[in-house]
Amino acid sequence: SAVISQKPSRDICQRGTSLTIQCQVDSQVTMMFWYRQQPGQSLTLIATANQGSEATYESGFVIDKFPISRPNLTFSTLTVSNMSPEDSSIYLCSVADGVPEAFFGQGTRLTVV
Amino acid sequence: EDQVTQSPEALRLQEGESSSLNCSYTVSGLRGLFWYRQDPGKGPEFLFTLYSAGEEKEKERLKATLTKKESFLHITAPKPEDSATYLCAVTVSGNTGKLIFGQGTTLQVKP
Repeated sequence: SAVISQKPSRDICQRGTSLTIQCQVDSQVTMMFWYRQQPGQSLTLIATANQGSEATYESGFVIDKFPISRPNLTFSTLTVSNMSPEDSSIYLCSVADGVPEAFFGQGTRLTVV
Repeated sequence: EDQVTQSPEALRLQEGESSSLNCSYTVSGLRGLFWYRQDPGKGPEFLFTLYSAGEEKEKERLKATLTKKESFLHITAPKPEDSATYLCAVTVSGNTGKLIFGQGTTLQVKP
């Protein structure tokens, strides 16, 4: 399976600021996704990162709040904009490439104060 | 609406005490059911994929089974290092890689 690296692994941010999370994969992959895991909760899909076009967002998530880039088949970024304490979560990048199962990075633990 | 429910939320076992975790699902067109293990502060680690009712997969002390409505993760003679949160997820037809997760079962195995 692909090796997925996320940066930063954790951060503490002031409310009202933005944080960009990077996801780097060691091989080209077709599908890349961003998930959120709120404290004590399971994973919820934010969006599918589409290479060369706009991301596809799930219900309840919008581009202005979570802009996503995917410039090539190995890299994507997720920005959490205008943060509030409710955005404190673990953000996870995942990839799937020709198989149904998805593989995950280590996650970015975000705390907004 | 597609839904995945796991039970119990938490499970405490003594080392060597076998048990099962449950994952029930209501989806339109199951393409695959997945089990993941998640350790604190880490991303989910893939364990198994099950595609059709009657299928079984095994890995060390873990065995996953699938029926038309639910999946079980059987843990035989667990060890303390099996302590983790076990997540069940499904993907439906036409949505490769897009997973719907259950709430997870947090397993603690005491020596």
